[in-house]
Amino acid sequence: GAGVSQSPSNKVTEKGKDVELRCDPISGHTALYWYRQSLGQGLEFLIYFQGNSAPDKSGLPSDRFSAERTGGSVSTLTIQRTQQEDSAVYLCASSLLGLNGVQYFGPGTRLTVT
Amino acid sequence: KQEVTQIPAALSVPEGENLVLNCSFTDSAIYNLQWFRQDPGKGLTSLLLIQSSQREQTSGRLNASLDKSSGRSTLYIAASQPGDSATYLCASKGGGADGLTFGKGTHLIIQP
Repeated sequence: GAGVSQSPSNKVTEKGKDVELRCDPISGHTALYWYRQSLGQGLEFLIYFQGNSAPDKSGLPSDRFSAERTGGSVSTLTIQRTQQEDSAVYLCASSLLGLNGVQYFGPGTRLTVT
Repeated sequence: KQEVTQIPAALSVPEGENLVLNCSFTDSAIYNLQWFRQDPGKGLTSLLLIQSSQREQTSGRLNASLDKSSGRSTLYIAASQPGDSATYLCASKGGGADGLTFGKGTHLIIQP
C-alpha cells in the first residue's frame, strides 16, 4: 500500500521567502509527526498532531514555523522569512496507534535556503 | 530531558560477521524504543519496536533487546550482508514527550 508521501522532494529558496512543505500520511493513520534532520543537530522532533489538533507546539524552533492539519489527513509545515539555518531535511511520519505506535516515515523534503 | 547515545558512531566489518550496535538512554521512563535504518538520501525505515514491557524483538536476521533499568538497547545483526550498509538510528518514546528522541546513529559499512 501507499506509504507516507512528502512534497516537494527538494526545495531551494532565497533567504527571507516563505515555504510550504506538504505531508500525506498513510490512510487511516490518526497521528502525524514532523521532524527536522540537519547535519549538526541530528534528528529533532518538531510537532505532533492527533487528528487535526496539535497539543504542544513548543518543539517548533521559532515563531516563524507553523503547522496545520486538515481533515485528519494532509499536513503542511510553513516556514516564514526563511533563514540559512533552516536548511535541513524535513521528515514527516504517521502512526496508526497514536503516541506509542510504530512511526512510518516519508522520504523527506530537502530544504536549501540560499 | 531524554538523551540518546549510540556507540559506535561508525563501524566497518567484513561480510558474514555478526555485529552489535549499542544505544543508551538517560531516562528509563520510556514507552517504547524503536530502531530504524536510513539509506543515503532516503527517509527512515522502521526495523523493530520494543514496548517497555518487552525484553526483545526479532525480525529475520535482526534482534533488538531492551533493558530499561540500565537504560540500554542493542541491535544484533546476524550474518551481515553488503545490503545491510546504512545508518542505524535508535529512538525512544518517553512519557513526557510527544515525539521520538533520536540518537545520532551508527554508520555501518559491510565490506563485500
